Amino acid sequence: KNEVEQSPQNLTAQEGEFITINCSYSVGISALHWLQQHPGGGIVSLFMLSSGKKKHGRLIATINIQEKHSSLHITASHPRDSAVYICAVMGRGGGADGLTFGKGTHLIIQP
Amino acid sequence: SQTIHQWPATLVQPVGSPLSLECTVEGTSNPNLYWYRQAAGRGLQLLFYSVGIGQISSEVPQNLSASRPQDRQFILSSKKLLLSDSGFYLCAKGQIYGYTFGSGTRLTVV
Repeated sequence: KNEVEQSPQNLTAQEGEFITINCSYSVGISALHWLQQHPGGGIVSLFMLSSGKKKHGRLIATINIQEKHSSLHITASHPRDSAVYICAVMGRGGGADGLTFGKGTHLIIQP
Repeated sequence: SQTIHQWPATLVQPVGSPLSLECTVEGTSNPNLYWYRQAAGRGLQLLFYSVGIGQISSEVPQNLSASRPQDRQFILSSKKLLLSDSGFYLCAKGQIYGYTFGSGTRLTVV
C-alpha cells in the first residue's frame, strides 16, 4: 500500500510570497494528482502528472519519479489561494486500485 | 465531457435517518467509479469502487453501502446514519489517463 506524505501540514504566508507544498510517496505510481479543496468543501483538480512539470497560471507542479516526490508551487500568492491542497497518487495496477490521498496542506494567505 | 455530477453539496441529517448520495458521470462508457470519505482531520479514504453495473467492492467495513444501477450512476446509501458517518464524501471516475472528481458532499449527522 502506498504511503503518501505531505508537508507542511499547515502553512500561513503573506500575499505575494512564493509557496511550495511537497508530496512524497513510497511505492512507484503511474500518475499523481494535485487537488484543491476550498473551505466549502468542493474539490477541484489542478494537475495530473506522470513526469516532468506542468504550469497553469500561477501554479506549477513538478514530479521526480526516481525520488518519488512532487511539489506544487504558487507564485505571487493571493488570499484567494487559501485552501487545502491535496496530493493523490494513482497506482500502476490500473483504475481498480483507486487513489491514495495525502492528508492535505492547509494554506492561508494573509493580505 | 468528463463531468461528474454529485449532489447535494451539503447535507444535515439526524442520527438514524437514511442516506442516499447520487453521483452521475458523463463521458466514456463503463468507467471505474469510486466513493471516498474524508473524516475530520484525516485524508480521503476509499469506501467503494465499481468496475461495472452491479459490481461493487468495499474497502472497509462500515455502515454504508453502494450500488451501481446504471453504467453512469453510482449511489452511496445508509439505512441508519451514525454520528461517525459525518464527513466529506467524494465521487470520482478513474480511467487509465487519470481521474475526474465530483465537487463532493459535506454530510453532518446530528
